[in-house]
Amino acid sequence: AAGVIQSPRHLIKEKRETATLKCYPIPRHDTVYWYQQGPGQDPQFLISFYEKMQSDKGSIPDRFSAQQFSDYHSELNMSSLELGDSALYFCASSSRLAGIQETQYFGPGTRLLVL
Amino acid sequence: KQEVTQIPAALSVPEGENLVLNCSFTDSAIYNLQWFRQDPGKGLTSLLLIQSSQREQTSGRLNASLDKSSGRSTLYIAASQPGDSATYLCAVWGSARQLTFGSGTQLTVLP
Repeated sequence: AAGVIQSPRHLIKEKRETATLKCYPIPRHDTVYWYQQGPGQDPQFLISFYEKMQSDKGSIPDRFSAQQFSDYHSELNMSSLELGDSALYFCASSSRLAGIQETQYFGPGTRLLVL
Repeated sequence: KQEVTQIPAALSVPEGENLVLNCSFTDSAIYNLQWFRQDPGKGLTSLLLIQSSQREQTSGRLNASLDKSSGRSTLYIAASQPGDSATYLCAVWGSARQLTFGSGTQLTVLP
């Protein structure tokens, strides 16, 4: 079965650079979520999209932005990178059936290292 | 604000033992609770999802229960195997429409 695809899997950037992470949800899933997991920490919700519109916002820094495109893939854009942005970034997708939140399926993550 | 706590933080057991992982949450107004497995440096694998109207879910050697009123869930692993070694995370979905994770229980099953 198709899973959530994230690219790149690994990314090394320097401080103050920009990075773009991509997420391709499971086919027919209409909702995408982004999470950040710092070293030794639990995942923290950043932002979500439903049917290409921003749905909810968590602890996403103003330096970050995201969008969902017409083909339902999503991109997380990160600017003015800081050392503290080094983390594993997960994308998850799900479908909303009759308003009931279904299982979120997570991608393998993008490991970002900021030097 | 929803807070999720998992006890113990780490657990080491010999192969073959049955074990229970605990998860508690402060706001009982949840829609569902999900248990995940995470191997070191890897992604999150969904193990079980329990809707708020359900009491338990089973998948193979795994059984998860939910007591929404008391804000608790348990993950029962039967006949543990070394391949079960991983970090187990519980996460709740509530009115904030986001998953709130616990810090996880790091399980080591010794051969």
